Amino acid sequence: DMKVTQMPRYLIKRMGENVLLECGQDMSHETMYWYRQDPGLGLQLIYISYDVDSNSEGDIPKGYRVSRKKREHFSLILDSAKTNQTSVYFCASTAGTGYAEQFFGPGTRLTVL
Amino acid sequence: QQKVQQSPESLTVSEGAMASLNCTFSDGTSNNFRWYRQHSAKGLEVLVSIFSDGEKEEGRFTAHLNRANLHVSLHIREPQPSDSAVYLCAVSIATNAYKVIFGKGTHLHVLP
Repeated sequence: DMKVTQMPRYLIKRMGENVLLECGQDMSHETMYWYRQDPGLGLQLIYISYDVDSNSEGDIPKGYRVSRKKREHFSLILDSAKTNQTSVYFCASTAGTGYAEQFFGPGTRLTVL
Repeated sequence: QQKVQQSPESLTVSEGAMASLNCTFSDGTSNNFRWYRQHSAKGLEVLVSIFSDGEKEEGRFTAHLNRANLHVSLHIREPQPSDSAVYLCAVSIATNAYKVIFGKGTHLHVLP
C-alpha cells in the first residue's frame, strides 16, 4: 500500500519552542519534499531532499531545517517557532524527479501561539 | 520563474453539469502538468497527468493542454457532491527537474 504518513496531525506550540514534524513513506522514493499551505498563498516549497543527507533549500527555507538519515524518513525542524509559522505542513515523496507524480501525506496543522 | 494562475477562484455547479477549471502558466517549455484534488485541508491526490498537447482522460476527469496558449484545463464530467474540493494545477519547471509550481487552486462546490 503506497503511503505517506505525517506525525503529529495537529500540534500547538508556544512562540520560541522547538518543533519537530515527521514524515514517512513506504515506497522507497528517493525524493521527498516539505511544503506549507496558507490561505491565498497556495503550496510553498520549503525544502527538497534528493536522498539521505542530500537536501536543498526550496523557496521559503528561512526559519526551517530538515534532516534525512533514512530514505523513508524526512523531518522538518523549527528552531524557536514563530507565530508566522502557523500553517498546514505537507510532506510529499516521488520516485526520481519532480516529473513523476508526487504522493502527499495528510498534513500537519501547526499553531504557534 | 514559472508562474501558475488558476481561474476561477471558486466555481459552483449542479450535480451532473460539466465543471471546467482553467490554469495558465508563463513558461511554455514545461512538459509536465498535473491536476490534484484536495478535500478540506487533507492531502492531495493526483487526478490526471498530461505531458503533450491535446487531451488526456482519466475516468470522469479530462485534461486539455495547449502549450502555445500557455493553458491547461480540467473538465469534470457528471460531477457529484463528493467532488466538492479544491483543485490544484501543478506545472513542472524546465530548468529544475525536481521542482513543480502549484497554482492557488479553484474551490469547486457541487450542489445536489
